[in-house]
Amino acid sequence: GAGVSQSPRYKVTKRGQDVTLRCDPISSHATLYWYQQALGQGPEFLTYFNYEAQPDKSGLPSDRFSAERPEGSISTLTIQRTEQRDSAMYRCASSLDRGLGELFFGEGSRLTVL
Amino acid sequence: GQQVMQIPQYQHVQEGEDFTTYCNSSTTLSNIQWYKQRPGGHPVFLIQLVKSGEVKKQKRLTFQFGEAKKNSSLHITATQTTDVGTYFCAGRSGTAGTASKLTFGTGTRLQVTL
Repeated sequence: GAGVSQSPRYKVTKRGQDVTLRCDPISSHATLYWYQQALGQGPEFLTYFNYEAQPDKSGLPSDRFSAERPEGSISTLTIQRTEQRDSAMYRCASSLDRGLGELFFGEGSRLTVL
Repeated sequence: GQQVMQIPQYQHVQEGEDFTTYCNSSTTLSNIQWYKQRPGGHPVFLIQLVKSGEVKKQKRLTFQFGEAKKNSSLHITATQTTDVGTYFCAGRSGTAGTASKLTFGTGTRLQVTL
């Protein structure tokens, strides 16, 4: 696609529910990143993919968080048993070059856990 | 793990004044990028620095990468109201040319008034 697309843009859920966020990166981009951004803070690294490989998931806060990119294109971030502290903007970004290129960010998915 | 700090957290200037934000990494970086995030928007890439001591200019913006590749700065000359936003540095460590996580700094929020 022309840019990085994320859905849903807004998600309100109740504590304990599972949520899945989706990211459709720029089609030629090999690398895909997930970040969590709290209000007034910088993006916090969660994980990244190089095609379908997931070399680093050190930023995932707990085992309730998981991400996939099975065919090396679209990615999903799933949060199981959501908690109020999971409320944040979740940002996906893609990059053409491995380790060197700029990141193109989507508009983000704002998650609110009640 | 790697930490990237920025100072100041916030700066309020009159239009026409200069502005500088400083970025410091706890580890040596292979490259550093700078992003601007407007209120309500997503981070947008400004520039990338790779070489020790590198200086790059974009119109009124001057970016510098430290000799030890652990710090960087962004200087804006004669600020304008269009410069309002939060400026983030983002650093990569590890082998240049390989995909790796990009760690964002804490950000500096710039407010410009007439």
